[in-house]
Amino acid sequence: EDQVTQSPEALRLQEGESSSLNCSYTVSGLRGLFWYRQDPGKGPEFLFTLYSAGEEKEKERLKATLTKKESFLHITAPKPEDSATYLCAVQLSYNTDKLIFGTGTRLQVFP
Amino acid sequence: DVKVTQSSRYLVKRTGEKVFLECVQDMDHENMFWYRQDPGLGLRLIYFSYDVKMKEKGDIPEGYSVSREKKERFSLILESASTNQTSMYLCASSSPTGDEQYFGPGTRLTVT
Repeated sequence: EDQVTQSPEALRLQEGESSSLNCSYTVSGLRGLFWYRQDPGKGPEFLFTLYSAGEEKEKERLKATLTKKESFLHITAPKPEDSATYLCAVQLSYNTDKLIFGTGTRLQVFP
Repeated sequence: DVKVTQSSRYLVKRTGEKVFLECVQDMDHENMFWYRQDPGLGLRLIYFSYDVKMKEKGDIPEGYSVSREKKERFSLILESASTNQTSMYLCASSSPTGDEQYFGPGTRLTVT
């Protein structure tokens, strides 16, 4: 069964304390992996797409990386405004219409 | 700028009522999706559509139906609302290649 697992479920960081969020996947064939940010009461906001192992994407304090089994979202020197839930999703190579989402990591950054 | 809008942010309905949730996108996307999001369960796909008048069941279609009469508009219908349909409903759209889905703000539906 195709599955996406995110860890940790929740993460509390002090402002400036760098860390990483993990998204591991077990799928028959991967076409792409997506990262989204979701603020409370709002819809997910697209951040990155990764297509192949070794690929990296950066945006401000965030950097996403991809291996054959997992993806990491690295947050460097986070600020309180980075507090949100971060979702990852995989797109299957044999069924590109749908995304399979993980349950997310809820990040809180304290000043 | 990419835009997906949903007709209501918050909705309260009674058990047994028929409920319509509307979604409109302005990106000329072929694909549109309806998800529900519940704590601990993540986003689950209810229905999607890859063209006008075309629809496909997602993972949890029971108790729901959809309508796509125009390319930009995708409606989710709860024929007879039940309390276990209380949830956050999210609409999304994407291009035919299926790359990044763009989400609306969500509708928080409460069925009492």
